[in-house]
Amino acid sequence: DIQMTQSPSSLSASVGDRVTITCRASQGIRNDLGWFQQKPGKAPKRLIYAASSLQSGVPSRFSGSGSGTEFTLTISSLQPEDFATYFCLQYNTYPLTFGGGTKVEIK
Amino acid sequence: QVQLQESGPGLVNPSQTLSLTCTVSGVSISTGGYYWNWIRQHPGKGLEWIGYIYYSGTSYYNPSLESRVTMSVDTSNNQFSLKLTSVTAADTAVYYCATRLVIAGSNYWGQGILVAVSP
Repeated sequence: DIQMTQSPSSLSASVGDRVTITCRASQGIRNDLGWFQQKPGKAPKRLIYAASSLQSGVPSRFSGSGSGTEFTLTISSLQPEDFATYFCLQYNTYPLTFGGGTKVEIK
Repeated sequence: QVQLQESGPGLVNPSQTLSLTCTVSGVSISTGGYYWNWIRQHPGKGLEWIGYIYYSGTSYYNPSLESRVTMSVDTSNNQFSLKLTSVTAADTAVYYCATRLVIAGSNYWGQGILVAVSP
């Protein structure tokens, strides 16, 4: 299985801050990676697919980058509604595997 | 608009079989390119992909669960199902059905169903 190592596991930030979350794959996955946002009691919502393509309807403050084994999700200016948990998902190889998650909390 | 809805018992006895159904609306389950997935999330933890089934019956299960998992498709009712045998407390989780996870564009998830394994 491809292991997805996500960091940090949690972070505290203020509204307006720039936030960066990283996922590292145990082997190359091209750009076959998505980023998801999950709020308590809700299903995950995909923000980014193909490492850097913004899902329709997702604010442009979210962006993704990377290829191969290193990937980044950036929130350029954190908004109150962005406090949530974020996961990466690799879909290059079955079984699909998720990162461990990053909880973004209010400082 | 594509919608998915999980259903099934919220409590299962240890060693018994967990059975869940996902009812799909807004698209035929027989539509090409739609792979029907099950994913679970242990309380307060990350996400674990369980497997997928295609309308043809082709399936792929996570090797970590493969010996206990069976998925099936019911095209007449536009549903697909998950069976997980010999459950233990470690199978307590929120179970989601989802589709279009590996495809560009829209992806769809059910709201999730909490299944507890307890005597």
